[in-house]
Amino acid sequence: GESVGLHLPTLSVQEGDNSIINCAYSNSASDYFIWYKQESGKGPQFIIDIRSNMDKRQGQRVTVLLNKTVKHLSLQIAATQPGDSAVYFCAEKPRYNQGGKLIFGQGTELSVKP
Amino acid sequence: DGGITQSPKYLFRKEGQNVTLSCEQNLNHDAMYWYRQDPGQGLRLIYYSQIVNDFQKGDIAEGYSVSREKKESFPLTVTSAQKNPTAFYLCASSISRAGEKLFFGSGTQLSVL
Repeated sequence: GESVGLHLPTLSVQEGDNSIINCAYSNSASDYFIWYKQESGKGPQFIIDIRSNMDKRQGQRVTVLLNKTVKHLSLQIAATQPGDSAVYFCAEKPRYNQGGKLIFGQGTELSVKP
Repeated sequence: DGGITQSPKYLFRKEGQNVTLSCEQNLNHDAMYWYRQDPGQGLRLIYYSQIVNDFQKGDIAEGYSVSREKKESFPLTVTSAQKNPTAFYLCASSISRAGEKLFFGSGTQLSVL
C-alpha cells in the first residue's frame, strides 16, 4: 500500500551543525512533496515544498532534495539552532488524489544540543 | 492578521456526549481539512471540503461529522459513536482545491472524562 516513512524517528545534533532528515516514499505517482515543522502542542508549520519536476529547492537555511530514482526525500537544515528542535513531517500527494489528500509520514523528532 | 483559529484549545468529553470543535479561517481559502493526530504518529485525514456546502470523507471519518455552511467555517463534531476520541485535532486550509501547501491551526486537544 501507500506509505510515507522516515528512516530515523529521532535525530540529535549539536547546535551549529547541519541536520539532515530523511523520508522514503513508496508511491511513484506522487508529484508533490512538502515538509512541516511541529513544535509541542502546536499545529504544523510549513517549511518548504517541491514538485516532482525538480530535484532541489532552497529556502532560508533549508534545502529539500528529491531523488525520484530511489523515491527519497530529504530536508537539510543549515547551522541548526535550538529553535529548530521539533518534530518534522514529510508528506506526499499522489497525482491521482482528488481534493489534495496529503499522505503524512510518522515524523522525526529533531533535538538540538547547545 | 490572517490565519486559522481553532477553539477551544482543550476539550473534555463525557461518555455518550457529542462535542463540536470550531475552526474559522480568514484567509479566503476554498479548501478546509480536519486531521487527527495521535501521540508519535502522523496526521490522518478525517474530512475535507473543497467548496461551501460540500465535503468528503477522509480515511477515518467514522464517528465524526462536519458541515460547511460558510466559506470561513468548518466545524467538526465528534459523536458518541467515536469510541476512541482522545487525540489532538488539527484544522487546515488551502487556497488551492488541489490541497497543496496546507496552513494549520493551533489544534484542539480532546480528552475523555
